[in-house]
Amino acid sequence: AQTVTQSQPEMSVQEAETVTLSCTYDTSESDYYLFWYKQPPSRQMILVIRQEAYKQQNATENRFSVNFQKAAKSFSLKISDSQLGDAAMYFCAYRAGGTSYGKLTFGQGTILTVHP
Amino acid sequence: DTGVSQNPRHKITKRGQNVTFRCDPISEHNRLYWYRQTLGQGPEFLTYFQNEAQLEKSRLLSDRFSAERPKGSFSTLEIQRTEQGDSAMYLCASSPITDTQYFGPGTRLTVL
Repeated sequence: AQTVTQSQPEMSVQEAETVTLSCTYDTSESDYYLFWYKQPPSRQMILVIRQEAYKQQNATENRFSVNFQKAAKSFSLKISDSQLGDAAMYFCAYRAGGTSYGKLTFGQGTILTVHP
Repeated sequence: DTGVSQNPRHKITKRGQNVTFRCDPISEHNRLYWYRQTLGQGPEFLTYFQNEAQLEKSRLLSDRFSAERPKGSFSTLEIQRTEQGDSAMYLCASSPITDTQYFGPGTRLTVL
């Protein structure tokens, strides 16, 4: 079974600084997708960034980028120029590739606090 | 922009009562998913549909839980004989086949 582990229950960062959230996963599949979702307090889950395992290039979305290390099964999220609005719970998630698979497997989450 | 919607947003019920939640996915999305999230934890998969077919159910989905998507559009999740352990946020998501899932705001269930 696939597992996703986020070893940092909480992280904090100063506004305008950079922070990295860690995620490791375990799978025997070669085709899969990895995601970072953001869940602000009492608000819905929002997709931050997505990475296809077959792509060697790390995904980037504005201030958000990932460091995808396939051999190490590591998928960290870097947030640059942190803003107060980045404060949220961040979840790493895995989905197997192919049309037969659908469900997301989530990590435990990391609470990110941004200090002004 | 019509995202995923869920109703009700909050539900308080007494133990032993039945409850039903509704999810309306993004209109062109074939797949619809249900997850359960307890406080401070990541969502856990319950079940998903491709059009009207229920393709996978988690072992978390006990006999008291049933989900339907009768016409391949909206879906309902029913919990019979609710227990205090059912208290959680129930999340719905939708996606095109094999693509990114987009989540609704969730239904928070409190069982007294």
